[in-house]
Amino acid sequence: EAGVAQSPRYKIIEKRQSVAFWCNPISGHATLYWYQQILGQGPKLLIQFQNNGVVDDSQLPKDRFSAERLKGVDSTLKIQPAKLEDSAVYLCASSLEEGAYDRQYFGPGTRLTVT
Amino acid sequence: QKEVEQDPGPLSVPEGAIVSLNCTYSNSAFQYFMWYRQYSRKGPELLMYTYSSGNKEDGRFTAQVDKSSKYISLFIRDSQPSDSATYLCATPAPNSGYALNFGKGTSLLVTP
Repeated sequence: EAGVAQSPRYKIIEKRQSVAFWCNPISGHATLYWYQQILGQGPKLLIQFQNNGVVDDSQLPKDRFSAERLKGVDSTLKIQPAKLEDSAVYLCASSLEEGAYDRQYFGPGTRLTVT
Repeated sequence: QKEVEQDPGPLSVPEGAIVSLNCTYSNSAFQYFMWYRQYSRKGPELLMYTYSSGNKEDGRFTAQVDKSSKYISLFIRDSQPSDSATYLCATPAPNSGYALNFGKGTSLLVTP
């Protein structure tokens, strides 16, 4: 079974520039999550999709971050404009359904450095 | 107060030692507890999970939950250099679609 794919793996941009990350979840997984992991911290949820609908985006900084999951499969996360504090690893995860017992599978992450 | 608190370490032990990793949580409604392992420059992977209170054993790993004190533990017996990683405790938040609340993670180094 192929895992969660993310690209790019690394990105360096200057502040105020824009950047986009892509995630392809495990085939058949209805739920997709984007987490932000700042160095030395645990992952923090940014947004959760169930198919192509948003379940929770309460911690997404909506003035600069946006995400979409068209057709309920792939997802993109965009930052525009980036700030220094956005430097982090952006992790995508997927699970079969939305439930406490549904295992979340994580991709390798995209490491963003904002200079 | 964060939902899940974890001492970030780092923790350095010699090969063969018993390792104890700990977390506390604040919400008594949490029922399901997980330990993820994250190697450097990789995504977290599920190591173990337990439901409610009690112990669960899997090879060299034992997960323990004490709901009365809201304490979560992971024990690693006969630790190996390949166990060197960051260990994250997590619990799904029932009021947010069961996304995971993670602790900060504890960095473990097992030296040969």
